[in-house]
Amino acid sequence: GQNIDQPTEMTATEGAIVQINCTYQTSGFNGLFWYQQHAGEAPTFLSYNVLDGLEEKGRFSSFLSRSKGYSYLLLKELQMKDSASYLCAEMDSNYQLIWGAGTKLIIKP
Amino acid sequence: KAGVTQTPRYLIKTRGQQVTLSCSPISGHRSVSWYQQTPGQGLQFLFEYFSETQRNKGNFPGRFSGRQFSNSRSEMNVSTLELGDSALYLCASSYYEQYFGPGTRLTVT
Repeated sequence: GQNIDQPTEMTATEGAIVQINCTYQTSGFNGLFWYQQHAGEAPTFLSYNVLDGLEEKGRFSSFLSRSKGYSYLLLKELQMKDSASYLCAEMDSNYQLIWGAGTKLIIKP
Repeated sequence: KAGVTQTPRYLIKTRGQQVTLSCSPISGHRSVSWYQQTPGQGLQFLFEYFSETQRNKGNFPGRFSGRQFSNSRSEMNVSTLELGDSALYLCASSYYEQYFGPGTRLTVT
């Protein structure tokens, strides 16, 4: 089956680091995507991983382990504007994106 | 490059009516996907069109339909509207990662 799991909500402090985990189960895999969605807005693309390892892009990094069906998004030096939902999505063998329900990240001063 | 555009941005309809939403993808993108998002819910996949053909379909009733034109523009139609159809409808175009339009917020009264 196809199932994407990520925590419903997380809270972190401004200036700190937070890691948002995502696990997936699928018979086919063509990559793992992370998106950011601010309240009332459309999702915006953050990162894409298809090979194992860490991809760093400024304050945001994304990690993938295909053997474990596991990914995480790491946000450093948190800012108040990082308060948003973070969506994990796996591209299956049909090149269709299977979406997690999203993790709502709350940043406190 | 212009982004994904969706029209209209806001729409109010009554139960039993039908509605047509439009999406213009990023130039060069041949794939257009449609999603429904309700408060607190993740993205629910409706369907995907590629080169005027429906390539993937989600688990929505037949009241939800779509099409894609030769210029890659896409429309989705919802017939016999129900109160539960009130949602944000998002369109995404892709070459690989998906880029979302601002969405159409549909309210059914």
